[in-house]
Amino acid sequence: EDKVVQSPLSLVVHEGDTVTLNCSYEVTNFRSLLWYKQEKKAPTFLFMLTSSGIEKKSGRLSSILDKKELSSILNITATQTGDSAIYLCVPYNNAGNMLTFGGGTRLMVKP
Amino acid sequence: EAQVTQNPRYLITVTGKKLTVTCSQNMNHEYMSWYRQDPGLGLRQIYYSMNVEVTDKGDVPEGYKVSRKEKRNFPLILESPSPNQTSLYFCASSFLGAEKGYTFGSGTRLTVV
Repeated sequence: EDKVVQSPLSLVVHEGDTVTLNCSYEVTNFRSLLWYKQEKKAPTFLFMLTSSGIEKKSGRLSSILDKKELSSILNITATQTGDSAIYLCVPYNNAGNMLTFGGGTRLMVKP
Repeated sequence: EAQVTQNPRYLITVTGKKLTVTCSQNMNHEYMSWYRQDPGLGLRQIYYSMNVEVTDKGDVPEGYKVSRKEKRNFPLILESPSPNQTSLYFCASSFLGAEKGYTFGSGTRLTVV
């Protein structure tokens, strides 16, 4: 059975702090790993990672995949209150054509 | 506008009264899926469909039914809802093998009393 574990479960920081969110996974027929941000509604896409060691960046957010360790991290620098959300790590199972969602990390950024 | 439309957005119902949550997409996607989201458990897949008349169970299918008679629609049916099906439900769709293009609906918050 495919599994995803994210840590920490929940995190409270102040604006300007840097945070690192962790994801470890066990997925058969792994093809890629996606990160999503979920605020009040549906998850929205952040990154897709397919190769180890190549960092993806979008502004203050960056992510990297380690296929050997079956893990990924999401970094957010200079956090803002608008970064408050649940961050979901989602490996993609190529065989079943499906996303396996972890429980997410709930990030709260205080002013 | 390309989108996945779920209805209703909010629903409060009583135990045992059959209900249907509709999901429709206008992107000609082959793949459609239903998830439920509960605190601390992330999104868990209920059922998915890779094309018309092809449906498969996800991780938590008990108490749910689906059908895929047309490509655009993928309704979720609760024949006899129970309080443990109180949850936030999401429908999603994509082209087959296009994980990056996963599009979610806005969600349906269901309460069963």
